[in-house]
Amino acid sequence: EVQLVESGGGLVQPGGSLRLSCAASGFTFSTYWMHWVRQAPGKGLVWVSRINSDGSSRTYADSVKGRFTISRDNTKNTLYLQMNSLRAEDTAVYYCARGTTGTYGGAFDIWGQGTMVTVSS
Amino acid sequence: QPVLTQSSSASASLGSSVKLTCTLSSGHSTYIIAWHQQQPGKAPRFLMKVEGSGSYNKGSGVPDRFSGSSSGADRYLTISNLQSEDEADYYCETWDSNTHVFGTGTKVTVL
Repeated sequence: EVQLVESGGGLVQPGGSLRLSCAASGFTFSTYWMHWVRQAPGKGLVWVSRINSDGSSRTYADSVKGRFTISRDNTKNTLYLQMNSLRAEDTAVYYCARGTTGTYGGAFDIWGQGTMVTVSS
Repeated sequence: QPVLTQSSSASASLGSSVKLTCTLSSGHSTYIIAWHQQQPGKAPRFLMKVEGSGSYNKGSGVPDRFSGSSSGADRYLTISNLQSEDEADYYCETWDSNTHVFGTGTKVTVL
């Protein structure tokens, strides 16, 4: 079964750090672009970051640039999101997603179940 | 960067059809978009991608009731024979070299 499973969410104080993980199974992880997408409570979907299949290209939304780092370990079939200098506005459910189309891996065809990140004192 | 515009809500009766619209911003009318469904309390689910030509490719297990089409800068998602489980938020998605964007979502209510 093709599957993405996120972990690592939780409660963190403003200014703190957290690392999210996304374990992939059921497909050849090393051949796909991968993404992080977040959704604040009661709000819509917002793209956060993407990484290409071999990890050589990374792109970020302006709202997280310089604070978040996306990475992957193709030997472990795992995607990561290192989140530093966290702010209250980073509070959201974080989803990992597989990208399928075009040069930049658009059209996310597999989504994880999400992991909740709460930034609060 | 592209911007996607969606109506905030739509409603239709059980067993009828509803057509959702996602409009691409000026200069981006040829872009491919994807449609995603998010049922209450669940993760998003990929439904299909729709090209400017009107051709569409559905995800695995997506019922035949769901179809896509296109006209100019508009991309459509049509749900036929509406079922109670179709009550959900529907988001369109597109991308370019610098970013990926989502529409604000359309909440579909089944009457």
